[in-house]
Amino acid sequence: GAVVSQHPSRVICKSGTSVKIECRSLDFQATTMFWYRQFPKKSLMLMATSNEGSKATYEQGVEKDKFLINHASLTLSTLTVTSAHPEDSSFYICSARSLGGPGGDEQFFGPGTRLTVL
Amino acid sequence: QKEVEQNSGPLSVPEGAIASLNCTYSDRGSQSFFWYRQYSGKSPELIMSIYSNGDKEDGRFTAQLNKASQYVSLLIRDSQPSDSATYLCAVSRSSASKIIFGSGTRLSIRP
Repeated sequence: GAVVSQHPSRVICKSGTSVKIECRSLDFQATTMFWYRQFPKKSLMLMATSNEGSKATYEQGVEKDKFLINHASLTLSTLTVTSAHPEDSSFYICSARSLGGPGGDEQFFGPGTRLTVL
Repeated sequence: QKEVEQNSGPLSVPEGAIASLNCTYSDRGSQSFFWYRQYSGKSPELIMSIYSNGDKEDGRFTAQLNKASQYVSLLIRDSQPSDSATYLCAVSRSSASKIIFGSGTRLSIRP
């Protein structure tokens, strides 16, 4: 149990385009999902927390108009990187947490999406 | 002071030995503690969670929690080369709070 999927696993896009990344909890309902990004050999950086049916909470320094997050259902959250630039190239990872679900308040990660902006 | 502190390593341990990974945290109100393993280029994988003082064992892994000292550790017995990875310590105040991650300890098991 506690499987989180992400799609796509890898994406290459041109500068100025938008990219949407999907995160799904496959076998539990995720009341809260988190979006992280990670640069090579660096630690995880939390970008935002999304709760189903409400606006996402962004961490300090993360542009909410650039990184659009939608958590429309208990099993799906999406991150859209708008007008992507080469500096947005990174490894984006989502995670899902379910209160009272598998393991209690544990957080399970998706496999990540590697974004390269040319 | 970082909220969750870990030695970045690398920690080098011979195969078959015990690897000991340590973590300290600053928020005394923390209630939930987790250890994740992350292989290079992959996302983190939950390996242990612990909520009360003492030891919790799962196979070759033992998590130890001491809330008075604000200290949590992970022991890996009979270390294998496949255990070589970065280990992330994570802490949260409650089930409704976000989980705070340490920057990770890189573990290398030498044959």
